Amino acid sequence: ETGVTQSPTHLIKTRGQQVTLRCSSQSGHNTVSWYQQALGQGPQFIFQYYREEENGRGNFPPRFSGLQFPNYSSELNVNALELDDSALYLCASSQLADKETQYFGPGTRLLVL
Amino acid sequence: AQSVTQLGSHVSVSEGALVLLRCNYSSSVPPYLFWYVQYPNQGLQLLLKYTSAATLVKGINGFEAEFKKSETSFHLTKPSAHMSDAAEYFCAVSEVPGGKLIFGQGTELSVKP
Repeated sequence: ETGVTQSPTHLIKTRGQQVTLRCSSQSGHNTVSWYQQALGQGPQFIFQYYREEENGRGNFPPRFSGLQFPNYSSELNVNALELDDSALYLCASSQLADKETQYFGPGTRLLVL
Repeated sequence: AQSVTQLGSHVSVSEGALVLLRCNYSSSVPPYLFWYVQYPNQGLQLLLKYTSAATLVKGINGFEAEFKKSETSFHLTKPSAHMSDAAEYFCAVSEVPGGKLIFGQGTELSVKP
C-alpha cells in the first residue's frame, strides 16, 4: 500500500476527445510525476510537478498537460486523443524526507478507440 | 543520456531455484538505481534502491541487488524463487534524487512448480 490513489481505474474514449486523469498522494508528498506505460513496455516519464509548478518534462507533446493542487492531488490532461495514447497512466509521488523514492499508484488504463 | 537495458524479456525458473534478473545502465553521473515489481493489472512496487551507500542492497521479499560500477550493472537476485514471485520486473535509473526515472523494458519472471 503506497498511499497513492488514482481515478478512474479504467476509461474508454474515442479519438479526438479530451481526458482528465486524477491522482491523490499522501500528505507531505509535494512532488508528483506522471508516466505512460504502453502495453509490454516500461513506463515513460511524461512530466513532474513540485509545489504546483512543472519541474521537468519528457518527450511528450503539449497536448499532455498537468496540474498539481495544494491538497497533494494532481491531474493529467490529454487533449485531442490519438489511438497511440492507449496505455496505463501511472502517477508517482515522493516527499522531501525520502526524495529518492517514488511511490506509484495503481494506474489508470486508458483505451482510445 | 541515461538508459537502462534489461537482458532477457522473459526468464523462467523452477520454484526454489536462484532468480537472476540482469540490468545494465548508462549514466553520466553517479546514478540512483531502482528495481520495481509489477503484478498483473497493478502499479509498480519498489523492491529496493541504490543511493550511493552500500553496494549490496537488500530489499523486500528476499530480493537483493549489487551495484557494480565497473560493469555498470545492478542485477537483481533471490536465492530461492517462490510462486508468488511471478511478475514483471523493471530496473530504473535517475540522475538526481526524485528526478525522472528511466525504465528498462522489463523482464517477465515465470516460476514453475
